[in-house]
Amino acid sequence: SYELTQPPSVSVSPGQTASITCSGDKLGDKYACWYQQKPGQSPVLVIYQDYKRPSGIPERFSGSNSGNTATLTISGTQAMDEADYYCQAWDSSIVIFGGGTKLTVL
Amino acid sequence: QVQLQESGPGLVKPSETLSLTCTVSGGSISSFYWSWVRQPPGKGLEWIGYIYYSGTTNYNPSLKSRVTISVDTSKNQFSLNVTSVTAADTAVYYCARNQEVGPTHYSDSWGQGTLVTVSS
Repeated sequence: SYELTQPPSVSVSPGQTASITCSGDKLGDKYACWYQQKPGQSPVLVIYQDYKRPSGIPERFSGSNSGNTATLTISGTQAMDEADYYCQAWDSSIVIFGGGTKLTVL
Repeated sequence: QVQLQESGPGLVKPSETLSLTCTVSGGSISSFYWSWVRQPPGKGLEWIGYIYYSGTTNYNPSLKSRVTISVDTSKNQFSLNVTSVTAADTAVYYCARNQEVGPTHYSDSWGQGTLVTVSS
């Protein structure tokens, strides 16, 4: 079965750039999307189709996908960006989630 | 702006059936896929399955033998049944709307989630 692997945690200083990776076999041949989830809240879509931002998502969120790795990049990270982030792909009509990455802004 | 709301019992006994309903408001259930996703306490997201408004379904292979998702377009609702539950099914259950774009799905609207605890 297809698997997506994320680092359990990433730390970043305020104002710096955070990069969260998501790895899977030939992931670049599929579309990846990303969700942000803050404690006690539902997930929120922040990137879809590799790099597109839904309306209302700040421009500091961007995405890329090539080879075996999709990357979520947060430029000028703010304290409000501290959250869990999940990548997701679609394989053989099945939805696959990565294990999630806790982003700490310190 | 579409809104989704989960409803159902918060406590289910082991070996019984977990049943939840998601009510969609602010938009029609037609022409979309609709998903159930769960999250055990302190853990990550797990996709359960999805249904198209016409009734076509697809399920997580690891849960397929115990899961049924159905839709009632007249009520703008879709539902989840999980049979023979154990403590491992304790989780926050989310319903979500899926967008299908070419060879991919993503969930652009989510319910607030409902905690279901399996315990005697």
